[in-house]
Amino acid sequence: QQQVKQSPQSLIVQKGGISIINCAYENTAFDYFPWYQQFPGKGPALLIAIRPDVSEKKEGRFTISFNKSAKQFSLHIMDSQPGDSATYFCAASLGGNNRKLIWGLGTSLAVNP
Amino acid sequence: EAGVAQSPRYKIIEKRQSVAFWCNPISGHATLYWYQQILGQGPKLLIQFQNNGVVDDSQLPKDRFSAERLKGVDSTLKIQPAKLEDSAVYLCASSWTGEQYFGPGTRLTVT
Repeated sequence: QQQVKQSPQSLIVQKGGISIINCAYENTAFDYFPWYQQFPGKGPALLIAIRPDVSEKKEGRFTISFNKSAKQFSLHIMDSQPGDSATYFCAASLGGNNRKLIWGLGTSLAVNP
Repeated sequence: EAGVAQSPRYKIIEKRQSVAFWCNPISGHATLYWYQQILGQGPKLLIQFQNNGVVDDSQLPKDRFSAERLKGVDSTLKIQPAKLEDSAVYLCASSWTGEQYFGPGTRLTVT
């Protein structure tokens, strides 16, 4: 019940296309859903996050769509660029400031020029 | 604002040797995390500190791993003795309001 399942494992998109990464969870007590971006040799960096009281959050080219009833959330990268090539992790956590993140296994995104 | 600092960036040791990693979190961040990230996988939480107290160390292999955060600021993670399967990137993260900020990690290779 603590798992976060992420798909696909890898994704290849042409420049200008839309990249979509999906995650599903079981624990309905989760109340914080961040997405992290990780470049080779770097630590993960927080990209965008959402709470279950909204169905969508957009920041620039990055959008999180959240479906509470289906217990699913997804990351959409519009107008994908070669610089977006990285590994993306979804995560989920319970409330409070001492958040323990439950991580997905990651999606390796390659954007071809 | 300076980010999370970690050192060393790379370390190669032989099995059964010991190694220590250091982390300096973002100033004012009370919560500090140590993660292990094996190539191709997501980060796995090893230990979480709130100030200098341990909040969660349920996944820390306590027979060989230890961590401390004596003054509630810097932290060290130690492995003694190391095993081949400890080869991974060790990430430190800190937070104040729940959002975690990561350092660049230490890549450990155990031969």
